[in-house]
Amino acid sequence: GAGVSQSPSNKVTEKGKDVELRCDPISGHTALYWYRQSLGQGLEFLIYFQGNSAPDKSGLPSDRFSAERTGGSVSTLTIQRTQQEDSAVYLCASSLWTSPTEQFFGPGTRLTVL
Amino acid sequence: TQLLEQSPQFLSIQEGENLTVYCNSSSVFSSLQWYRQEPGEGPVLLVTVVTGGEVKKLKRLTFQFGDARKDSSLHITAAQPGDTGLYLCAGGGNKLVFGAGTILRVKS
Repeated sequence: GAGVSQSPSNKVTEKGKDVELRCDPISGHTALYWYRQSLGQGLEFLIYFQGNSAPDKSGLPSDRFSAERTGGSVSTLTIQRTQQEDSAVYLCASSLWTSPTEQFFGPGTRLTVL
Repeated sequence: TQLLEQSPQFLSIQEGENLTVYCNSSSVFSSLQWYRQEPGEGPVLLVTVVTGGEVKKLKRLTFQFGDARKDSSLHITAAQPGDTGLYLCAGGGNKLVFGAGTILRVKS
C-alpha cells in the first residue's frame, strides 16, 4: 500500500482480556517499529524488527506485551490480560534499513481498557 | 538515557505571527527529526537534520541543528491555521526518543 496501515483504528476491551493489534508496513521497508503514545508519557518506543534479525524488545513495559512479524511484513502486537494503564494509542512505523531514523507512521490504534 | 525537552508545551497565536519551538538535550545526537501530528493521525516526518549548524527550509518552516548537535529549533514564519498541530522532535537512531511535543494552535 501507499502508507503504513493499522487495524483496528479503535479497540475497546475489558480489563483482563487479550488484544491483538495489526500493522501492515510500507512495501519494501524492512524495519518495523511499535510505539505507544499516552497523555502522561508521550511517545515511547516498544519494539523494533529489522529483517530476519532478532527483534529489539527493550521497550516492552512488561511480559504481557509481545509482538511478532510474519514473513518480514505484517506485524502483530499482542497485549495479554490488559490493564487500564495499557490504554493508549499504539503506533506502528516502518523504514528502509538504510534510513532507520526516517520512520513513516501509521494512523495508530486507540486502545481503551475499561 | 537520552532525553529531549521541548518548549513551549503549548502555543496559541494569531494567523500571520512568527514562532519558534525549541528542542534541547544534554546528549549529542547524530541526527534529529521533526514530526508534525494531527489529531487521529500518526506523526508525519517534516525534516531530518544531521550536521551541526545545519539549516533546512521547508516553505515557511526553518529548522536548525545546534553546532554541538544537542539542540534544534523550528521557526515558522507567518503562521497559518493549517500549521495547527503537535510538533515533535525525535532522535536516537532506530529506537527514536521523542520530546513531549509542542501543541500549536493558529487562530484565524
